[in-house]
Amino acid sequence: SAVISQKPSRDICQRGTSLTIQCQVDSQVTMMFWYRQQPGQSLTLIATANQGSEATYESGFVIDKFPISRPNLTFSTLTVSNMSPEDSSIYLCSVVLGNEQYFGPGTRLTVT
Amino acid sequence: AQSVAQPEDQVNVAEGNPLTVKCTYSVSGNPYLFWYVQYPNRGLQFLLKYITGDNLVKGSYGFEAEFNKSQTSFHLKKPSALVSDSALYFCAVKGSSNTGKLIFGQGTTLQVKP
Repeated sequence: SAVISQKPSRDICQRGTSLTIQCQVDSQVTMMFWYRQQPGQSLTLIATANQGSEATYESGFVIDKFPISRPNLTFSTLTVSNMSPEDSSIYLCSVVLGNEQYFGPGTRLTVT
Repeated sequence: AQSVAQPEDQVNVAEGNPLTVKCTYSVSGNPYLFWYVQYPNRGLQFLLKYITGDNLVKGSYGFEAEFNKSQTSFHLKKPSALVSDSALYFCAVKGSSNTGKLIFGQGTTLQVKP
């Protein structure tokens, strides 16, 4: 199994600022994934982060808004840039290990 | 395109009664199906998965799910509900094992009353 930690667990940010969310995994994994869960909604994949290459973004998400770093096989960051209240969500990091997909505890972001 | 439908926003059952949370899917090729549970203010927890093999899959906390290819369904079941099972349940699908792109259903809130 994989144990995933995220920092911060929650934050309240002002409109126009940026927040970087960290994700640490206790196993080396090729791909890491960032999901968003808007209030009362389901989860949506933002991007896939491979170590040593640029992240691949899903439709509706762009690098300028959600830059991602993947410096090694156990760590990734997601930045939410120039935040607006619509960015208030839970952001979850995820990895695939074997046939199972694991999720971090999430970062609850509130933008005021 | 892949999709998942959970037709019920909420399911209410009495403690001790059997529960079913419904899920239907649409995917080209063989589906990889998952159930996750989310408790308030906590992360997403894996319950069970269907990759191949037996259509009845047993998972964590006494839950099981039945894969029905002809009906493209993967309903979550438990013979006897507990109050502590009250949570938000998500069904998810992906089209291959080596991708992390899960397509999630909208979620079903399970309320188990004493």
